[in-house]
Amino acid sequence: KAGVTQTPRYLIKTRGQQVTLSCSPISGHRSVSWYQQTPGQGLQFLFEYFSETQRNKGNFPGRFSGRQFSNSRSEMNVSTLELGDSALYLCASSAGHLNTGELFFGEGSRLTVL
Amino acid sequence: DQQVKQNSPSLSVQEGRISILNCDYTNSMFDYFLWYKKYPAEGPTFLISISSIKDKNEDGRFTVFLNKSAKHLSLHIVPSQPGDSAVYFCAAKTNAGKSTFGDGTTLTVKP
Repeated sequence: KAGVTQTPRYLIKTRGQQVTLSCSPISGHRSVSWYQQTPGQGLQFLFEYFSETQRNKGNFPGRFSGRQFSNSRSEMNVSTLELGDSALYLCASSAGHLNTGELFFGEGSRLTVL
Repeated sequence: DQQVKQNSPSLSVQEGRISILNCDYTNSMFDYFLWYKKYPAEGPTFLISISSIKDKNEDGRFTVFLNKSAKHLSLHIVPSQPGDSAVYFCAAKTNAGKSTFGDGTTLTVKP
């Protein structure tokens, strides 16, 4: 069974630009979560989507948004990029049932903002 | 307010010895606690979990202990192997499905 796929793996943007990251979950998984990882900051929760609806949201500004499509694929968008947005963005999928909450992560998209 | 804390950024142990990684939490509503392992340039992978109604869960060399009164959990790795060298994240899940992660502990197992 294919794992979680994130594209692109690496990208470089400049301040003020916007970026869209894509995530394809494991087949059959209906929940997709997004996390931001910066050095020394662990994994900061951005949002979670389940069946095309945002179910949970973290404490990030409105520049960070996401959506989920009917095939469970998800995208996140960051507008008006700032230097501090440079990070590894991780997508995770799960079956979405209220179970142990085990998440399956992709390899991440590393964003560098210059 | 950081609800899940890993107070040790790094830990170094000798091969064959026990590794103990610690995690503290503040939210009594967490229903599951999980540990993930992350190698460089890879996403985190699930290691082991424990329900809030249990105090111990064991899987091979890995055991997780939960002390609800102290709001503390720990991961024991026995015996430690060089391949265990990675960043370990503690995570806690609410019944609403949201997982909160600690900042991670970098484990180095020396041969």
